[in-house]
Amino acid sequence: GAGVSQSPSNKVTEKGKDVELRCDPISGHTALYWYRQSLGQGLEFLIYFQGNSAPDKSGLPSDRFSAERTGGSVSTLTIQRTQQEDSAVYLCASSRGPGRPPLAGDYTGANVLTFGAGSRLTVL
Amino acid sequence: KNEVEQSPQNLTAQEGEFITINCSYSVGISALHWLQQHPGGGIVSLFMLSSGKKKHGRLIATINIQEKHSSLHITASHPRDSAVYICAVAPWYSGGGADGLTFGKGTHLIIQP
Repeated sequence: GAGVSQSPSNKVTEKGKDVELRCDPISGHTALYWYRQSLGQGLEFLIYFQGNSAPDKSGLPSDRFSAERTGGSVSTLTIQRTQQEDSAVYLCASSRGPGRPPLAGDYTGANVLTFGAGSRLTVL
Repeated sequence: KNEVEQSPQNLTAQEGEFITINCSYSVGISALHWLQQHPGGGIVSLFMLSSGKKKHGRLIATINIQEKHSSLHITASHPRDSAVYICAVAPWYSGGGADGLTFGKGTHLIIQP
């Protein structure tokens, strides 16, 4: 697509329920990232996918969070047994490049991010 | 973990003024991103740079790797520039990529007509 699409745009759920957030990156972008922005806080990196490589999960806050990317395109972020502190805007971004060497030193734009509009999650 | 500090946190200026937003970080990086978050929440990537200076329209970004500091300048500011400007740094091992970015808390800029 022309941009990064995220759904749902808003989700209200009860504590303890599971939620799934979807991200459809720009066609041809091999790198996909999930971030979250809690109220009054800055952006926080969650997880990174590059092609068919194993994802970098180093930013996931707990084992209740998981993400997958099917076919190197659409990604789903799943939060199990949601807690109130999970309330945030979950942002997805994609970039053309792999984000890692061998493009080290190549700053021509391959790693420039395009963000989706975000999914606002409210856990009651 | 890199510590990213932005200043000022809040800035209100009059239309036409020259704006400077600063970003400093504590650990060596491979690249630095400047992002713009609109009042509606949408985020746009403005610049990604690893050295020197980049210019796009009225926006200019500079970085000094030795001093671990970057600045974002807006010339001839306009009310539509009102947004949150976020600095983010990429760790040295990422080759400039966006995984593992550490973000500043943002600078809230308001340009009054």
